[in-house]
Amino acid sequence: LAKTTQPISMDSYEGQEVNITCSHNNIATNDYITWYQQFPSQGPRFIIQGYKTKVTNEVASLFIPADRKSSTLSLPRVSLSDTAVYYCLVGDNFNKFYFGSGTKLNVKP
Amino acid sequence: ETGVTQSPTHLIKTRGQQVTLRCSSQSGHNTVSWYQQALGQGPQFIFQYYREEENGRGNFPPRFSGLQFPNYSSELNVNALELDDSALYLCASSLVGFTTNTGELFFGEGSRLTVL
Repeated sequence: LAKTTQPISMDSYEGQEVNITCSHNNIATNDYITWYQQFPSQGPRFIIQGYKTKVTNEVASLFIPADRKSSTLSLPRVSLSDTAVYYCLVGDNFNKFYFGSGTKLNVKP
Repeated sequence: ETGVTQSPTHLIKTRGQQVTLRCSSQSGHNTVSWYQQALGQGPQFIFQYYREEENGRGNFPPRFSGLQFPNYSSELNVNALELDDSALYLCASSLVGFTTNTGELFFGEGSRLTVL
């Protein structure tokens, strides 16, 4: 089963780049890696998804090494509003989807 | 806004009671999944429904059951409520069917259940 491991928390300052890494040693061949952002009392919101190498959209980049056993979410120039919990999600062959424990990102002024 | 709506937003039950939570999926989506999120924890996968059939289940006992209707809306039923069932229950819809690709999940705002 493709479970994930992330740092519990991270601190950053406004304007900095933040990199959050997720480990998923048992990722299946066909699985994609998806990252979500969650604010208190809200449902998670999709940030980015990738399969291998690098994916970039208007809010983030996702780096995936060749062995796909980990992935790194990169948030460029964070602001106070990026303070949230970030989860990585992978699916396994049995359609059981696991969120990681989440990384609480605290952005300071 | 994702278009996924859940009801009720908050409810209080007592131990041993039964509860039904409802979810309307985003237009055009045929897959619904349910998650339990305890305070300070990540969402835990309960099960997923694709075209009215359950096609994936997490480590939850049989007293957690669900339905998906022809319009792709869904219900989560929990029988014999326990104190530990107190949590935020999240519904997510997507276009992914019988694949291992999680796809993009569109979450509702959740139903906050308190069991006394």
